Amino acid sequence: DAKTTQPPSMDCAEGRAANLPCNHSTISGNEYVYWYRQIHSQGPQYIIHGLKNNETNEMASLIITEDRKSSTLILPHATLRDTAVYYCIVRVRAGEYGNKLVFGAGTILRVKS
Amino acid sequence: DAGVIQSPRHEVTEMGQEVTLRCKPISGHDYLFWYRQTMMRGLELLIYFNNNVPIDDSGMPEDRFSAKMPNASFSTLKIQPSEPRDSAVYFCASSFGGSGYGYTFGSGTRLTVV
Repeated sequence: DAKTTQPPSMDCAEGRAANLPCNHSTISGNEYVYWYRQIHSQGPQYIIHGLKNNETNEMASLIITEDRKSSTLILPHATLRDTAVYYCIVRVRAGEYGNKLVFGAGTILRVKS
Repeated sequence: DAGVIQSPRHEVTEMGQEVTLRCKPISGHDYLFWYRQTMMRGLELLIYFNNNVPIDDSGMPEDRFSAKMPNASFSTLKIQPSEPRDSAVYFCASSFGGSGYGYTFGSGTRLTVV
């Protein structure tokens, strides 16, 4: 099962870009990388996912290295409301038909004014 | 859609009592997941269903825990008997198609067993 490694915490100034790294050196060729975040006392929220190309949506950008062993989530203009725990996840195979998301410890991002 | 709805939001119960947590997934979603979150262990997947059928219950801690999904719009997680170490926030999530994106989580049930 592919596992991910993230720094336990990061700080970012409000209005600046937040770059959250993730290592997934054992990722398989057809496994996607998913990012979720959890704002205090709420359920996790989907942000973005990708396979090998860079991806962008209204929330963030995802940069995946060419060897796919690491990725970076970018919040282009962080706000105080982006303070949360950010999870980088590679889906785990579960049984013959299933896949499941296994959450690690994540990175606590603190956006400061 | 109102999203994934969990009830109750908070539950305080005495050790040994039965606890039932409820979840209504998003209409049309065919996967439903139960997670538990504690400070010590983080977010743990307990069990998940596909089309109302349990697919993987390897995360269910022990026989005191059971989960059912009698139809596409309702699931329960039952703890009997409850113990103080079961105190946690329990999240339900649903998704369509089994991919890893688009999981929608409920607001959670904070369970305290005293």
